[in-house]
Amino acid sequence: DAGITQSPRHKVTETGTPVTLRCHQTENHRYMYWYRQDPGHGLRLIHYSYGVKDTDKGEVSDGYSVSRSKTEDFLLTLESATSSQTSVYFCAISDTTGGYEQYFGPGTRLTVT
Amino acid sequence: GENVEQHPSTLSVQEGDSAVIKCTYSDSASNYFPWYKQELGKGPQLIIDIRSNVGEKKDQRIAVTLNKTAKHFSLHITETQPEDSAVYFCAASIRDSGAGSYQLTFGKGTKLSVIP
Repeated sequence: DAGITQSPRHKVTETGTPVTLRCHQTENHRYMYWYRQDPGHGLRLIHYSYGVKDTDKGEVSDGYSVSRSKTEDFLLTLESATSSQTSVYFCAISDTTGGYEQYFGPGTRLTVT
Repeated sequence: GENVEQHPSTLSVQEGDSAVIKCTYSDSASNYFPWYKQELGKGPQLIIDIRSNVGEKKDQRIAVTLNKTAKHFSLHITETQPEDSAVYFCAASIRDSGAGSYQLTFGKGTKLSVIP
């Protein structure tokens, strides 16, 4: 998985609680992304980062926030989890100096009850 | 924004036969088209990609073709093997000129089953 780890790998939480997912990379790549994957929807971009403290919204950003204080870490926070945020979350990285390619982590399965 | 349609949603082939998955995109500014393979419980794995200045690219049993005029691209897998069974996703990408990143829009996926 191209030097990408995600934690936790599985999480069950209750509606209304805050949740933070972590993506850690050892590739020193500039760009990092958060996607969610749902049946029938493929992968959809939530937020992305183009450098430390530089982030922007993706297609489905409502209800999510992100932070990147170090090159290697990109955090995704659900301020108040809802059942509609039950999904599998994937982090991806890319370094467009070398190319366009995005490489994905192993994913986090989040269940909001 | 970009919209990517992928067909078929499921595909079953006999081992040794060929498999073809097709995608169309809506934004003529898209210039990068990757294909990902996802096995159960794992993250998507980049298997081949093509840029808009190339019409075809091949890597062993896998090939991708691009028709910019018609705005469609296809994945071809020849001599299929049971280990090719997985979900395949196409994507189209436009560069964000401000951030310098390439934002991917994915198709909904094709579940390929190779029957031994």
